[in-house]
Order: sequence, then C-alpha cells, then structure tokens
Amino acid sequence: AQSVTQLDSHVSVSEGTPVLLRCNYSSSYSPSLFWYVQHPNKGLQLLLKYTSAATLVKGINGFEAEFKKSETSFHLTKPSAHMSDAAEYFCVVSERGFQKLVFGTGTRLLVSP
Amino acid sequence: DAGVTQSPTHLIKTRGQQVTLRCSPISGHKSVSWYQQVLGQGPQFIFQYYEKEERGRGNFPDRFSARQFPNYSSELNVNALLLGDSALYLCASSQRDGNQPQHFGDGTRLSIL
Repeated sequence: AQSVTQLDSHVSVSEGTPVLLRCNYSSSYSPSLFWYVQHPNKGLQLLLKYTSAATLVKGINGFEAEFKKSETSFHLTKPSAHMSDAAEYFCVVSERGFQKLVFGTGTRLLVSP
Repeated sequence: DAGVTQSPTHLIKTRGQQVTLRCSPISGHKSVSWYQQVLGQGPQFIFQYYEKEERGRGNFPDRFSARQFPNYSSELNVNALLLGDSALYLCASSQRDGNQPQHFGDGTRLSIL
C-alpha cells in the first residue's frame, strides 16, 4: 500500500525567506509523486510532478522538489516566500499507471510580512 | 478553456436524504475521479471513471455510486446521508487513464444537518 507522511502540520515563514515542506513516501512500486496546493475554499492546483525522469522537478510559481529514493523523501522548496504562497500544501503519491491519488494530511504554510 | 466545473457549489441536506453532485471535465478529458475531503484532512479517493467504465473504487460504502455519461461528464450519488458525509467533494479530470496530471474543480461543499 502506498502512503505519504507530511512531517509538519504547520510551517511559518517570513516573506522573502526560503520555504521547506517535508514529505516522506512509502510505496511498493515505483511511485509517481505530486505536490498540490489548495487555497481557502478552492480546489487543488498541481504544483509539480515526479514520474521517473529527472529527480529534481521544477514546478509553477518558483517551487521545486527533489526525489530522493534512498531517503524516500520528496520535499518541496522555494527560495523566497511570497504572501500569496500562504495555503495548504498536499504531498501525493500514486502507483505508476493508475489514477488513484493518495494524499498526505497536508501542511499549512503561513507567510508573515 | 474552461476548467473542471462542479455543481452545485454548496448544498445542505438532512440525514437520510439522497444527493447528486455533478462534474463537467475539461474539454477533451475522458477520465473523471471523485474525492471526499473532510474538514482538516486530505482528500480521499472515491471513484475513477474512464470512457464510461469504472476503473477504480475507494473504501467507501455502497451508498456511494457514480456514473459517467457519453459526453464524459459525471455524477456522484450518495444515498441515506449520514452526518459524517459532510465534506467537500472534489472532481478531477485528466486526458487519459494512467499517470496523467489530474485537474481539480473547486468542489461541492455538502453539509448534512
């Protein structure tokens, strides 16, 4: 069975400082991994995806994530936080070739001025 | 192009009633998936349909059912509503089956009284 663990329920940063949201995954197969963002009362927007190509994945809005098989991690980073980045972030795993997405419990990113 | 559209946006029902939620995928997308997101949690997979056939089912009771129409739109039905069915119901579409990026709608907020 696949699962993801988001290690922090809340992360607080100041505007202009780096962002690190941590995610560990568990999968019996070669996984596909994603990060989605959810703003209040909105659906989910895909930030980036890993599907076995380059281990460093670049996404939208300056976010990127690195797939580390030895550490079973897929942490999300951004060099400089913006106020508009404040939202809920979900790390997601799926079995290669299947549509079912398995979500983590989410990390709420708070950005202060 | 329009994104994934869901209707209604909000719905209030009482215990024991039945509800139908609707989803129109992005034009050209043939796969539709449904997710339930209880407040404070990550979304949980309910169903996936591709070319009008059920391709996956999550761990939900038989009170939950869905179908996909020839135009690829989809309905999610829930019978005998319980208080615990209160949640945000999200629809996602993708072009094909397999590991395709899924695009989410803004969801239907269902409240059970």
